[in-house]
Amino acid sequence: QKEVEQNSGPLSVPEGAIASLNCTYSDRGSQSFFWYRQYSGKSPELIMSIYSNGDKEDGRFTAQLNKASQYVSLLIRDSQPSDSATYLCAVTGNQFYFGTGTSLTVIP
Amino acid sequence: DTAVSQTPKYLVTQMGNDKSIKCEQNLGHDTMYWYKQDSKKFLKIMFSYNNKELIINETVPNRFSPKSPDKAHLNLHINSLELGDSAVYFCASSWGASGSYEQYFGPGTRLTVT
Repeated sequence: QKEVEQNSGPLSVPEGAIASLNCTYSDRGSQSFFWYRQYSGKSPELIMSIYSNGDKEDGRFTAQLNKASQYVSLLIRDSQPSDSATYLCAVTGNQFYFGTGTSLTVIP
Repeated sequence: DTAVSQTPKYLVTQMGNDKSIKCEQNLGHDTMYWYKQDSKKFLKIMFSYNNKELIINETVPNRFSPKSPDKAHLNLHINSLELGDSAVYFCASSWGASGSYEQYFGPGTRLTVT
């Protein structure tokens, strides 16, 4: 079992819709959770960090964490074509683990 | 000003050669990392240094040797390059060694071994 799992996609949503990206992790001791966005040929860029159960909102982005279910998600509201990228989930505790990413395409 | 910078951006070399990648951060962070991203986009940590001290050393061939002359710099030297070393190598930095700190990535070095 991989430490961090994400659907590889591709996930396609129309412009203006909500994009939902999901991530599950195996280490129950994990304490910190991050979402990164990576455009093709570029480096990962931090979007959100979340440390406690519940929702955390930042502009059009909402991160959701459920430690009991070992599940973290990212919602992107009013999706824009510029949101088209690969989204990486990162989970840290004793170790650092990244998921393989979900490719998102926002269709104009 | 670039927060985390790496040189070179591209590196093409032949099998068996030795090469180095340099990383510098001007964020004042205490911790720096090297990651490898393969062709399937899987990002895996290789090493981590906190104030020049090695704190994470994942299962990486000993042909890879990191060096941190000071907390703002972390270099990666690779001996006897192999085809499988072809990947994008990212440097990153954060405030502390704990995983709770956000990491900021450099632009990456695309290494191609022929």
